[in-house]
Amino acid sequence: AQSVTQPDIHITVSEGASLELRCNYSYGATPYLFWYVQSPGQGLQLLLKYFSGDTLVQGIKGFEAEFKRSQSSFNLRKPSVHWSDAAEYFCAVGPSNNDMRFGAGTRLTVKP
Amino acid sequence: NAGVTQTPKFRILKIGQSMTLQCTQDMNHNYMYWYRQDPGMGLKLIYYSVGAGITDKGEVPNGYNVSRSTTEDFPLRLELAAPSQTSVYFCASSLVREGQETQYFGPGTRLLVL
Repeated sequence: AQSVTQPDIHITVSEGASLELRCNYSYGATPYLFWYVQSPGQGLQLLLKYFSGDTLVQGIKGFEAEFKRSQSSFNLRKPSVHWSDAAEYFCAVGPSNNDMRFGAGTRLTVKP
Repeated sequence: NAGVTQTPKFRILKIGQSMTLQCTQDMNHNYMYWYRQDPGMGLKLIYYSVGAGITDKGEVPNGYNVSRSTTEDFPLRLELAAPSQTSVYFCASSLVREGQETQYFGPGTRLLVL
């Protein structure tokens, strides 16, 4: 069965600094991988997804993620963080949306 | 489009009471989902539907029921509320385009069972 680990429960970065959120997965085949963002009191919003092809995926709001099969990772990056990026970020893996597993989330705090 | 809407936003139930969480989408999506999110955890799938009249269990279906009589609506029913069902419930719908599926989430319903 698939599983997802987000090793960092909480990360704090300064505004303008770069960001990397880690995601490791366990899955027997080529996975579908997703990153979602959740602002306080809101539902999840899809940032980006990987199904196949180019392993570097571009998403919305300036985010990107790289699929590394050898490391079973799908880390999320942003070169320069804005205060509005403060939120909870979830990584998810699965063969389809009706069989996805979500990580526990990483809470991002942005310092002025 | 209003997207995915959920009602109520917040509800307190007593143990043993029943209630229905409403979910409606106006995007003509075939696929709809119900998730629960417990504190400090990711989402877990309760039930899903691939079209009107078709529903199936997800990872944590016990204690819940669903129906899908129309494309737009996907209500979630709790028959005998238990404290373990205290959670935030998210409804989602999805569009399949060129073999890829993108989910759209509602704002959530916060449920407290006492």
